[in-house]
Amino acid sequence: ETGVTQSPTHLIKTRGQQVTLRCSSQSGHNTVSWYQQALGQGPQFIFQYYREEENGRGNFPPRFSGLQFPNYSSELNVNALELDDSALYLCASSSMTDLVGAFFGQGTRLTVV
Amino acid sequence: QKEVEQNSGPLSVPEGAIASLNCTYSDRGSQSFFWYRQYSGKSPELIMSIYSNGDKEDGRFTAQLNKASQYVSLLIRDSQPSDSATYLCAVIDDKIIFGKGTRLHILP
Repeated sequence: ETGVTQSPTHLIKTRGQQVTLRCSSQSGHNTVSWYQQALGQGPQFIFQYYREEENGRGNFPPRFSGLQFPNYSSELNVNALELDDSALYLCASSSMTDLVGAFFGQGTRLTVV
Repeated sequence: QKEVEQNSGPLSVPEGAIASLNCTYSDRGSQSFFWYRQYSGKSPELIMSIYSNGDKEDGRFTAQLNKASQYVSLLIRDSQPSDSATYLCAVIDDKIIFGKGTRLHILP
């Protein structure tokens, strides 16, 4: 079991609402990456935060935004939720020089109705 | 954009047999290749990494890499019901790029 915790584990939101997902960071790690995994698909890279700055972004619209805090924990915010945003959201904690050693959190299952 | 392709399956294999999972990648410059196992509703777990052409063995798992063909495979020997999961092939860019995954069912 990793030291990366995501909260909440499940939630249901209505289309058009906003949601904030949270991710702790493994001790000694300074990078958090967020992934969206739709049912039956592989995880898709949303963005990565390194030392509190966005350090790379995948093909996701601006309504997906994030933050990283001084303790390297992170938030993912999604505005104007759409039905297609329903997915498992994964965060991965790593050091910038060792993405292979990333520890994944258990994920947040978001359902948009 | 770098891509990783996998057959989504499901792949059904009798218990005790060898399961063979395959993956191709688009960027000839990719250097690092990985296999993750993901149980339903859980997060991915790294099970194998391979960086050089040829085979790499770890217990019942063997990863195979052929850079000329841009092809990576994972063999699971003596398949067990607990191996039933989705297997994600991945490459490292400045982020982890995953394939869609192959669902594997081990039949008791």
